[in-house]
Amino acid sequence: KNQVEQSPQSLIILEGKNCTLQCNYTVSPFSNLRWYKQDTGRGPVSLTIMTFSENTKSNGRYTATLDADTKQSSLHITASQLSDSASYICVVSAGSSASKIIFGSGTRLSIRP
Amino acid sequence: EAQVTQNPRYLITVTGKKLTVTCSQNMNHEYMSWYRQDPGLGLRQIYYSMNVEVTDKGDVPEGYKVSRKEKRNFPLILESPSPNQTSLYFCASSADRYNTEAFFGQGTRLTVV
Repeated sequence: KNQVEQSPQSLIILEGKNCTLQCNYTVSPFSNLRWYKQDTGRGPVSLTIMTFSENTKSNGRYTATLDADTKQSSLHITASQLSDSASYICVVSAGSSASKIIFGSGTRLSIRP
Repeated sequence: EAQVTQNPRYLITVTGKKLTVTCSQNMNHEYMSWYRQDPGLGLRQIYYSMNVEVTDKGDVPEGYKVSRKEKRNFPLILESPSPNQTSLYFCASSADRYNTEAFFGQGTRLTVV
C-alpha cells in the first residue's frame, strides 16, 4: 500500500534554533518527492522537488534530503524564524507518469520567541 | 503576478443545492487539480486534468464533477452537496504533473448544512 508518513506530528522550538522533519514513504514506483509549507488557512507553497537521482536540494534556509534506498526524506530548517511556524507536508508521486499522488499528514511546526 | 484564483473563499450552503467553485490560473499551465483537506486526513485529490477536455478521477471523486473547457479554468461542481462535503478545498496548477512546481489557490472553505 502506498503510504507517506511524517514525524513528528508536531514540534515546538525556539526562534533561531534548527530542526529536522522526517518523511518515510512506501511508494512504488517512485517518481518525485515534494515538500510544501502551509500556513494556517492558506494554500500550500512549494519548497523543494526532488527526483530519484537527487539527494539534496536547498531553498534558502530549507534543505531537503532524499535517500531513495531507504525511502526516507528530511527537511532541515536552519536558524528558524517566527514566520516558519506552519505545517510542512511531504508529498510523493508514484508511477511512470506520476499518476498517483500521496500526501503525508504533515508536521505542525511552532516557533516560539 | 502568477497566481491561482479560487472563488468564493467562503461558502455556506444547504444540502442538495448545486454549487460551483471556480478556479482560474494565469500561467498557461496544462495540469490542474482539486483537493480537499480535512483535519487528520490531510490533502486528498478529488479530480485532475492533464489538459483541455482531459479530466480524470483522483482518490475521492464521489459527489463531485469537473470540466476543463479552457486551459485557464477548472471549476469544481457539487451537483447535490451533502454535509460530508464540508471541507477546505484547494485548486492547484503546474506546467505538468511530473517535476514542476505546483501553485495552489488560497482555498475555499465550504460548509454544507
